Amino acid sequence: KQEVTQIPAALSVPEGENLVLNCSFTDSAIYNLQWFRQDPGKGLTSLLLIQSSQREQTSGRLNASLDKSSGRSTLYIAASQPGDSATYLCAGGPMYSGGGADGLTFGKGTHLIIQP
Amino acid sequence: EAGVTQFPSHSVIEKGQTVTLRCDPISGHDNLYWYRRVMGKEIKFLLHFVKESKQDESGMPNNRFLAERTGGTYSTLKVQPAELEDSGVYFCASSQRQDFLTDTQYFGPGTRLTVL
Repeated sequence: KQEVTQIPAALSVPEGENLVLNCSFTDSAIYNLQWFRQDPGKGLTSLLLIQSSQREQTSGRLNASLDKSSGRSTLYIAASQPGDSATYLCAGGPMYSGGGADGLTFGKGTHLIIQP
Repeated sequence: EAGVTQFPSHSVIEKGQTVTLRCDPISGHDNLYWYRRVMGKEIKFLLHFVKESKQDESGMPNNRFLAERTGGTYSTLKVQPAELEDSGVYFCASSQRQDFLTDTQYFGPGTRLTVL
């Protein structure tokens, strides 16, 4: 059974800093890995999707990496801004080992605060 | 283009009552997913439709939950009778491609269900 862990649970940094959010998963037989952000009272916004054959994806100031051999993914945020404050969720995709379901397996998230 | 929409945004019911949640996916998306997050826990997968067919319902907690997607457009999730432990936020997501295993899932804002 897939389990996804996100560290740290909460993070507060001054504006302008570069930061890294960590995600680990127990079963590497996944088709993809997605990073989302969730603002209070809102739904999930997809940030990046990394296919199992890829090692990283970039979108603007965001860069996500995937290392299936170690069961880890990181989300790098460059030059952080107060608008980046949100909860960031990592989700392992459907599994091709036959041991999972069609849906995503989520971590509990990292609550990020960027101080102005 | 409209995103995934969910109705109602918030529902408060008494234990033993019935509640029906609705999800309208992004137009043209064949894949529709239901997830939920109960207090303090991570978001968990409930089931997956491909058009009007249930592809995977391995995450449904028990037979008090019934999901339908008549005509392959919008979906409903009925909880009957509701129990206290059903309280949480119910999310709907959709994705476009037939190859759903590698496709991005787009989430709605969620329905917050409170069972008293």
